[in-house]
Amino acid sequence: AQSVTQPDIHITVSEGASLELRCNYSYGATPYLFWYVQSPGQGLQLLLKYFSGDTLVQGIKGFEAEFKRSQSSFNLRKPSVHWSDAAEYFCAVGAGQAGTALIFGKGTTLSVSS
Amino acid sequence: DTAVSQTPKYLVTQMGNDKSIKCEQNLGHDTMYWYKQDSKKFLKIMFSYNNKELIINETVPNRFSPKSPDKAHLNLHINSLELGDSAVYFCASSQRWGLDTQYFGPGTRLTVL
Repeated sequence: AQSVTQPDIHITVSEGASLELRCNYSYGATPYLFWYVQSPGQGLQLLLKYFSGDTLVQGIKGFEAEFKRSQSSFNLRKPSVHWSDAAEYFCAVGAGQAGTALIFGKGTTLSVSS
Repeated sequence: DTAVSQTPKYLVTQMGNDKSIKCEQNLGHDTMYWYKQDSKKFLKIMFSYNNKELIINETVPNRFSPKSPDKAHLNLHINSLELGDSAVYFCASSQRWGLDTQYFGPGTRLTVL
């Protein structure tokens, strides 16, 4: 069965420091992968997605993610974190009929310290 | 301009009541979804409609009934509310059926007392 694992429930990073959020997936075919961010009390906003092609994907707000098929991973990175990046981050894989049903990980809460 | 909107934002009700949550998208998308986010922030798809036709119906109690009067709207009606229905419900839309970016609404926090 398809699944997404985000091993880190909560991460705290100092402002200006680099960030890496981990995501591992289990999927039989070529995965379609997404990272979404949810700010407190808000809906989900797409940061970036991987469908095919270049395994390093650039997204909004300075985020990037690298697809590594051999490790079944799609880790999210940012070189310098800002206080406004504090939020909940969700990794998802497109599954089901035509990849339309998103299967989400349980999320990683990012706190930013000054 | 709000792309995907939901009403109400908060809904507090008693067990056994029937309630509806409305969703509207002004993006001209063909496909709409309902997701449930539980107290542990775990998100799971409930339903998906494409051109007003039900495509995905996950294992959801039949007390939950989606209705799509037109492509821009997907409402969620819940009968006989139970405590376990308390959650945040998100509506989303995508331009077409199939692999495509989904745009989420702000969510409706439902609390059943």
